[in-house]
Amino acid sequence: GENVEQHPSTLSVQEGDSAVIKCTYSDSASNYFPWYKQELGKGPQLIIDIRSNVGEKKDQRIAVTLNKTAKHFSLHITETQPEDSAVYFCAASIRQAAGNKLTFGGGTRVLVKP
Amino acid sequence: DTAVSQTPKYLVTQMGNDKSIKCEQNLGHDTMYWYKQDSKKFLKIMFSYNNKELIINETVPNRFSPKSPDKAHLNLHINSLELGDSAVYFCASLGRGLEGGYTFGSGTRLTVV
Repeated sequence: GENVEQHPSTLSVQEGDSAVIKCTYSDSASNYFPWYKQELGKGPQLIIDIRSNVGEKKDQRIAVTLNKTAKHFSLHITETQPEDSAVYFCAASIRQAAGNKLTFGGGTRVLVKP
Repeated sequence: DTAVSQTPKYLVTQMGNDKSIKCEQNLGHDTMYWYKQDSKKFLKIMFSYNNKELIINETVPNRFSPKSPDKAHLNLHINSLELGDSAVYFCASLGRGLEGGYTFGSGTRLTVV
């Protein structure tokens, strides 16, 4: 089955700096890669996703890149703000397969210091 | 108007008891899931139902029994609760096709004492 590894497990940045989180996946059939943000006491919320036919996607201060050959994808947050502090999860799935199960990385706890 | 709602939000119970967690989605999605998040925040799939049919069962102990009365509801019943069952349980749903992502509920924190 799919295995997703995520690094780093914790990330501390100064407000205004950039944050980068990297993930690798094992199943070359995976074609859908979402990123989730989980705040304390809440469920994971989708912040951005990318499909395997796209190499890069951007939404305001958040961008995701995908390298299918190397089987890795990354989340970039620019101009970080204290409200970006949360746990971020990458995930991978085969969107058209029966079951469509998401396999998550281990999470990155991001702390943005004012 | 909550898209995926779970009840209860907190559940504290003694070992050996039987308990249920309920989940409802108003998104019109066909597929629903249960995920377990352990104390280290790791999220692992447990079950998935598509239009009331079980399609994923990830080697979860048979003390856990999901039930889907209709495609908008997926409940989780746990028999003979053990200390190791303490975790946060998340319900999620997914629409058809390639558009949109998985929508998660706010979780149920289960504590077995």
